[in-house]
Amino acid sequence: KNQVEQSPQSLIILEGKNCTLQCNYTVSPFSNLRWYKQDTGRGPVSLTIMTFSENTKSNGRYTATLDADTKQSSLHITASQLSDSASYICVVSAGTDMRFGAGTRLTVKP
Amino acid sequence: NAGVTQTPKFQVLKTGQSMTLQCAQDMNHNSMYWYRQDPGMGLRLIYYSASEGTTDKGEVPNGYNVSRLNKREFSLRLESAAPSQTSVYFCASSEAFRGRNQPQHFGDGTRLSIL
Repeated sequence: KNQVEQSPQSLIILEGKNCTLQCNYTVSPFSNLRWYKQDTGRGPVSLTIMTFSENTKSNGRYTATLDADTKQSSLHITASQLSDSASYICVVSAGTDMRFGAGTRLTVKP
Repeated sequence: NAGVTQTPKFQVLKTGQSMTLQCAQDMNHNSMYWYRQDPGMGLRLIYYSASEGTTDKGEVPNGYNVSRLNKREFSLRLESAAPSQTSVYFCASSEAFRGRNQPQHFGDGTRLSIL
């Protein structure tokens, strides 16, 4: 079983709507959690990082949350745009060990 | 800024052929990595180089070899390609080896098909 589980696998929303992507992990001991955005045909690009003491962090229309007690993180996208269509990957670090989720494929339709 | 550059972008091989995937970074990063990405699975680490002059196996090293040519370049070699190695290969770099709060910077991948 993957130590980082993301849901949903895929999601289709209309432009302008909000959405929330989920990441549950069992990786331990927790160091940090990072969200990457991967456009089709490109490599992943870091969006934000959460450390143990952080509950919420925003990067423009992207807001990540972390609950270290329940080992859950979410990425909320506000007022979606067509350019948000991509895969979103959750990566959890335990020291120098990094575990990648399989990603959520988001499609934003006009 | 070019960042991390991978060549080639696409390649088709026959079973048993060999090839080398090239990766170069211009950010003066110490650590470099090779991953493979398969449908429905997270990125998996093949090999890494924590610093110039060192290389180590990752999660899925079988069938691969690497060379850290210098601080900028890190190549991945398939000696005898197998259909199971059909995948998208990503090279990445970071300032330090999976250092605290430091992101990895990824290239745009090499799409490799083995027939």
